[in-house]
Amino acid sequence: GAGVSQSPRYKVAKRGQDVALRCDPISGHVSLFWYQQALGQGPEFLTYFQNEAQLDKSGLPSDRFFAERPEGSVSTLKIQRTQQEDSAVYLCASSFDRGFYEQYFGPGTRLTVT
Amino acid sequence: TQLLEQSPQFLSIQEGENLTVYCNSSSVFSSLQWYRQEPGEGPVLLVTVVTGGEVKKLKRLTFQFGDARKDSSLHITAAQPGDTGLYLCAGVWSGGGADGLTFGKGTHLIIQP
Repeated sequence: GAGVSQSPRYKVAKRGQDVALRCDPISGHVSLFWYQQALGQGPEFLTYFQNEAQLDKSGLPSDRFFAERPEGSVSTLKIQRTQQEDSAVYLCASSFDRGFYEQYFGPGTRLTVT
Repeated sequence: TQLLEQSPQFLSIQEGENLTVYCNSSSVFSSLQWYRQEPGEGPVLLVTVVTGGEVKKLKRLTFQFGDARKDSSLHITAAQPGDTGLYLCAGVWSGGGADGLTFGKGTHLIIQP
């Protein structure tokens, strides 16, 4: 079956622009996670949804970062007024149920802020 | 802040050699996962360990969870070029906290033919 898909795969933004990154989780998966991965590092947790509810946003680095999942399926991570330090790969993962087992990751969106 | 330390950070060996990478924390995990990530792709789950002392095998890969559930290791026997990648451990702590996984920085593994 189809895995987690993310779009765009690559995004170049000028400093100060707003960007929106999309995640399509595996159909039927309740839980959805966003992670940020800097070059050469492991992913870092940003935020978590269970269905449409955002239950944890403790990892969002600033109030410029905003995520939503209005219908409990597709999710969008929005970054306002991008800064160079926002350059990273943004990974989305989904899992069948709440919890940490069997998270399936998408290929990520590589964001470069110039 | 819970930290997962992985070692070594980089490892380059010849095809056919054996290797072990480590994942350590000062805190107790409720579960720990190992992932492999290739360039341009997301991490792919290899294994989940839950019980202290647990050993799981996946072909030439052997995963061990420490008795105290604070550490884990991944051993690869007779490494092949296809094993090249970034190996990440990720944990969930017994004390709870953030809902997402906490990852180590990874071990960059290169197997030279």
